[in-house]
Amino acid sequence: ETGVTQSPTHLIKTRGQQVTLRCSSQSGHNTVSWYQQALGQGPQFIFQYYREEENGRGNFPPRFSGLQFPNYSSELNVNALELDDSALYLCASSTLQGGDEQYFGPGTRLTVT
Amino acid sequence: GENVEQHPSTLSVQEGDSAVIKCTYSDSASNYFPWYKQELGKRPQLIIDIRSNVGEKKDQRIAVTLNKTAKHFSLHITETQPEDSAVYFCAARGGGGGFKTIFGAGTRLFVKA
Repeated sequence: ETGVTQSPTHLIKTRGQQVTLRCSSQSGHNTVSWYQQALGQGPQFIFQYYREEENGRGNFPPRFSGLQFPNYSSELNVNALELDDSALYLCASSTLQGGDEQYFGPGTRLTVT
Repeated sequence: GENVEQHPSTLSVQEGDSAVIKCTYSDSASNYFPWYKQELGKRPQLIIDIRSNVGEKKDQRIAVTLNKTAKHFSLHITETQPEDSAVYFCAARGGGGGFKTIFGAGTRLFVKA
């Protein structure tokens, strides 16, 4: 298993609410990427953070936002939740300046009702 | 925009046979191509990767080939075993300093004993 952890494991929210998901990167990694994986699909890139700044973004609306902290852990915030936001949210850590490999956390399963 | 197509979506083989999964990518600046294995309810795990300056890479029963001209890359698993059964994802990472990783839709591999 990787050293990447995520919390919570599961979460149920109501449409219109806001949610915060958390990720702790592997030791020595300074880059965190977030992905949304809908059931039966591949992970979709949301955005990446490097040294506390957004370093790239996929095709997700502004209600998906994030933060990275000085210890390189990260948060994903989603406002005004919609039913289609129900998915597995994965974070992955890597070293931007080092190897290409990214290591995934176990994910947070978000259900929006 | 960038896209990665993956075929087939489902693959069923007899134990001991070979399995081949093919992907094409659209961004000619892509320079890193990882393959992930995802078992039910678990995180994607990197099984092999290849960089754009290499045409082929092998690791025991797993090999990956890359054709940059055609923008194709493939995963080959030989001597398949029941524990190889999982969903496999190909991915392509953009070049030009961006680290956006685009995933294929996945291939569900069944290895029958």
